[in-house]
Amino acid sequence: GDSVTQMEGPVTLSEEAFLTINCTYTATGYPSLFWYVQYPGEGLQLLLKATKADDKGSNKGFEATYRKETTSFHLEKGSVQVSDSAVYFCALRTDSWGKLQFGAGTQVVVTP
Amino acid sequence: GAGVSQTPSNKVTEKGKYVELRCDPISGHTALYWYRQSLGQGPEFLIYFQGTGAADDSGLPNDRFFAVRPEGSVSTLKIQRTERGDSAVYLCASSLNGGDGYTFGSGTRLTVV
Repeated sequence: GDSVTQMEGPVTLSEEAFLTINCTYTATGYPSLFWYVQYPGEGLQLLLKATKADDKGSNKGFEATYRKETTSFHLEKGSVQVSDSAVYFCALRTDSWGKLQFGAGTQVVVTP
Repeated sequence: GAGVSQTPSNKVTEKGKYVELRCDPISGHTALYWYRQSLGQGPEFLIYFQGTGAADDSGLPNDRFFAVRPEGSVSTLKIQRTERGDSAVYLCASSLNGGDGYTFGSGTRLTVV
């Protein structure tokens, strides 16, 4: 079945450091890929998405490229801020009506 | 409303009791989804409604779980004979017409003691 694997957290880094969160997937067909973010005390929010191979999703300084050859969708940000502290979820969708398969989440802690 | 509203935000119940969790989606959103998030895990799909009907309930773990959406707006997730393993955050999301434009609520944290 479909699955998403992402690196375990917590990831702790200093402000202005470079962030990478690895995500790989297994799916039949050609899924759409997503990164969701959950800030403390808030609901899940869509951060970025890519719907086909080689697409790059970007938002708020975060980027991720859909790599079909390596079945990956790694999240990156060049210079993190304390406000980026959150839990990040990689997810995929293979059905047109939008059922999502999530990874386990990666907690990111950014210290001043 | 402006967002997806879930009530209550927290619910503590005794093992064996019945609970209802409510989701009020964004006005006009035809698709509604329920997910369950256990501690340290990603959300797990439970059920999806398109309008009033359950289009896919394959994620419901067993027959103690049931959900309704009688008027195509508010949805209620019902859990009978609760067990400690049901403790989790129950998330609701809505979308205008399926696809990837989800808006999630803040969830209901259910604790079964």
